[in-house]
Amino acid sequence: DTGVSQDPRHKITKRGQNVTFRCDPISEHNRLYWYRQTLGQGPEFLTYFQNEAQLEKSRLLSDRFSAERPKGSFSTLEIQRTEQGDSAMYLCASSLLLAGYNEQFFGPGTRLTVL
Amino acid sequence: GESVGLHLPTLSVQEGDNSIINCAYSNSASDYFIWYKQESGKGPQFIIDIRSNMDKRQGQRVTVLLNKTVKHLSLQIAATQPGDSAVYFCAENSGYSTLTFGKGTMLLVSP
Repeated sequence: DTGVSQDPRHKITKRGQNVTFRCDPISEHNRLYWYRQTLGQGPEFLTYFQNEAQLEKSRLLSDRFSAERPKGSFSTLEIQRTEQGDSAMYLCASSLLLAGYNEQFFGPGTRLTVL
Repeated sequence: GESVGLHLPTLSVQEGDNSIINCAYSNSASDYFIWYKQESGKGPQFIIDIRSNMDKRQGQRVTVLLNKTVKHLSLQIAATQPGDSAVYFCAENSGYSTLTFGKGTMLLVSP
């Protein structure tokens, strides 16, 4: 499978615990994005990387959230001291920016439930 | 599986009909638009895109129309099939590299 993969697919945790999600983008893609999606809503942008550099962060990304892409390939998203409001689907996408087109390919997502 | 389509506008069609899904976008500076399909429990799947210097683009069974005057985008699906049942999102790119998604429309296709 050469698409975007995410791990784990589901995570249940207790409030206050830390969680970390991983995303493996399509191998030749230089851009990687994190989105959050709650039930009945479209995905909301959190942050994105071009290669190793984190170029933009949404105001949705509180200081409890941190993302890394250390070698410009896979990325991790960590949430510290989880809250029930963090329960959502966390989606990763990747793209290869060419001549203004920015077709983003999404992974299957990680469903987080905070009890 | 868990539905992403709760409380969304819903379009119900019969198999074989043509479907039209509409989207109003917000930013007149947006220069690139994408339609995504999302099935229950899965990530969004790219369908078709269009740049702002075009007003129509066709793919296989799908056509996207862009009206910049009224900031309106539509997705037409020809000969709709039960496998087309999903939630459809339009997304706009205003040049900041990120996509802003609309609220989504659930398409239900009955045999």
